[in-house]
Amino acid sequence: AQSVTQLGSHVSVSEGALVLLRCNYSSSVPPYLFWYVQYPNQGLQLLLKYTSAATLVKGINGFEAEFKKSETSFHLTKPSAHMSDAAEYFCAVTDHFGNEKLTFGTGTRLTIIP
Amino acid sequence: EPEVTQTPSHQVTQMGQEVILRCVPISNHLYFYWYRQILGQKVEFLVSFYNNEISEKSEIFDDQFSVERPDGSNFTLKIRSTKLEDSAMYFCASRLAKGGVETQYFGPGTRLLVL
Repeated sequence: AQSVTQLGSHVSVSEGALVLLRCNYSSSVPPYLFWYVQYPNQGLQLLLKYTSAATLVKGINGFEAEFKKSETSFHLTKPSAHMSDAAEYFCAVTDHFGNEKLTFGTGTRLTIIP
Repeated sequence: EPEVTQTPSHQVTQMGQEVILRCVPISNHLYFYWYRQILGQKVEFLVSFYNNEISEKSEIFDDQFSVERPDGSNFTLKIRSTKLEDSAMYFCASRLAKGGVETQYFGPGTRLLVL
């Protein structure tokens, strides 16, 4: 069975500071990994996804994530936080062979301090 | 940009009542999903649907749940006799094609409260 673990249910960073949201996965087969963002009262929006083409993945809004097989990690980063980044972020996994469902982590709520 | 829509945004119901949650997936998508998120917990897969039949369902998706694509645009989730523990945010998602690399697009959710 696949799973993801997000360390830190709440993360606060100052505006302009580095954003680092952690995600570790467990999968017996090569995974596909995703980061979704949920703004208040909105649905889940895809930020980026890892599909084995490149280990460093760039997404929307200046976010990127690096797949590290040795660490079973897929942490999300952004060099400089903006107030508009305040939201809930979810890491999710599905497998290489097209198992359809997404398995989500518990989410990390990002707060930006002015 | 095409998007998944869901109605209603909020629904309050009495325990034991039937509810139908509605979704309009992106028009050319072929694969449809329901997920739910109980307050404070992770988003959980309920069911996937393709070619007018369920392709996978989770343990949560018991006989009280059903899904239907009654016409060419809507995708519904019915809960026959709601329980208190069904209170959650329900998300619909759709995908163009099969395969883990394909993105699932999510709707804004329906918040269901069972009293």
